[in-house]
Amino acid sequence: NAGVMQNPRHLVRRRGQEARLRCSPMKGHSHVYWYRQLPEEGLKFMVYLQKENIIDESGMPKERFSAEFPKEGPSILRIQQVVRGDSAAYFCASSPIRFGQGSYEQYFGPGTRLTVT
Amino acid sequence: LAKTTQPISMDSYEGQEVNITCSHNNIATNDYITWYQQFPSQGPRFIIQGYKTKVTNEVASLFIPADRKSSTLSLPRVSLSDTAVYYCLVVAGNNNDMRFGAGTRLTVKP
Repeated sequence: NAGVMQNPRHLVRRRGQEARLRCSPMKGHSHVYWYRQLPEEGLKFMVYLQKENIIDESGMPKERFSAEFPKEGPSILRIQQVVRGDSAAYFCASSPIRFGQGSYEQYFGPGTRLTVT
Repeated sequence: LAKTTQPISMDSYEGQEVNITCSHNNIATNDYITWYQQFPSQGPRFIIQGYKTKVTNEVASLFIPADRKSSTLSLPRVSLSDTAVYYCLVVAGNNNDMRFGAGTRLTVKP
């Protein structure tokens, strides 16, 4: 069973461009979470999605950031008009059941390292 | 969510037992304690979770005293490959996210 897959692993964008990060959860997992990690810091929650629904986006900046998890295909984190402060590692995690319902285990992908020049 | 406090770094030697203690004075009744491990350039990996007393799995043990204001992750006989950052998290059943602090950077030396 393949783990959580993220691509690209590294992404370089110039200021003002768009960044599109993809996440394929583990097979059978319908819950996806996105986190951002700045250098030397812990992960910060951004958004929690189930298939076709955004459940909690309380950690996501109100502007320029959006996320989706369509019925078919991977989850996408989209950052429009990137700025240097968006440079970070973005991690996706998945779980088979809703987080907190008996388990606090999330399965993380390897991350996408975004560099904005 | 309860704030957690853990040492910034720890050093150990191969074969030793390592205990990392985390304080969470404001833990709520419904909160659970969970620990994750992160290697450089990788996503975190779940180690263990617990509510009270002692939990053990094939990787580690988690000790939680009766007042639940702290917890200790115990790694038996560490090896060089255990060098990583270890995160203590207090998680609530009605929340959708985990709040990662800065973690404890464990360095295992030969």
